[in-house]
Amino acid sequence: AQSVTQPDIHITVSEGASLELRCNYSYGATPYLFWYVQSPGQGLQLLLKYFSGDTLVQGIKGFEAEFKRSQSSFNLRKPSVHWSDAAEYFCAVGARSGGYQKVTFGTGTKLQVIP
Amino acid sequence: DSGVTQTPKHLITATGQRVTLRCSPRSGDLSVYWYQQSLDQGLQFLIQYYNGEERAKGNILERFSAQQFPDLHSELNLSSLELGDSALYFCASSANDRNHNYGYTFGSGTRLTVV
Repeated sequence: AQSVTQPDIHITVSEGASLELRCNYSYGATPYLFWYVQSPGQGLQLLLKYFSGDTLVQGIKGFEAEFKRSQSSFNLRKPSVHWSDAAEYFCAVGARSGGYQKVTFGTGTKLQVIP
Repeated sequence: DSGVTQTPKHLITATGQRVTLRCSPRSGDLSVYWYQQSLDQGLQFLIQYYNGEERAKGNILERFSAQQFPDLHSELNLSSLELGDSALYFCASSANDRNHNYGYTFGSGTRLTVV
């Protein structure tokens, strides 16, 4: 069975600073990997996804993530954070389980952006 | 607008009552997923339907039930409500099939308050 770990519950960064949110997964093969963002009171929005090809994937809102097989990681990055990026970020792993696609979400990382 | 429609947006009801939450998936998506999100439990998977059939169950209480109708909309029924059922309930849809995982599209949620 797959699992995903987001080791940081809260992260605070200054506006304009770079950001890296960590995600580690456990699965026997290369899974589907996703990052979602949730603004307060809103549903989750897909930022980016990876399942094959170039290990550096670009997403919406200036985010990117890099798949590193050797480290079982899929960290999310942004070179310069804006105040509007304050939200909760969820990493998710998808794989085939019991004959269908199953997605497991991490516990989320809350991002606070200070002026 | 994500394309996934959830109604109602807010619901306040008394303990012991029964409510129905409704979800219309994004056009073309056959899978519907229900999630519960609360401060202490995080994002909890409840149940999945694919083209009218139950596909997977998560941490769904026996007091809760769901179904997906021929037009692919889904309803989540919560009965004998308790204070602890107060949460955000999200519906998500996807075009996932057995071999491919395209990610989920989430609705904006129904905020249930049990008083």
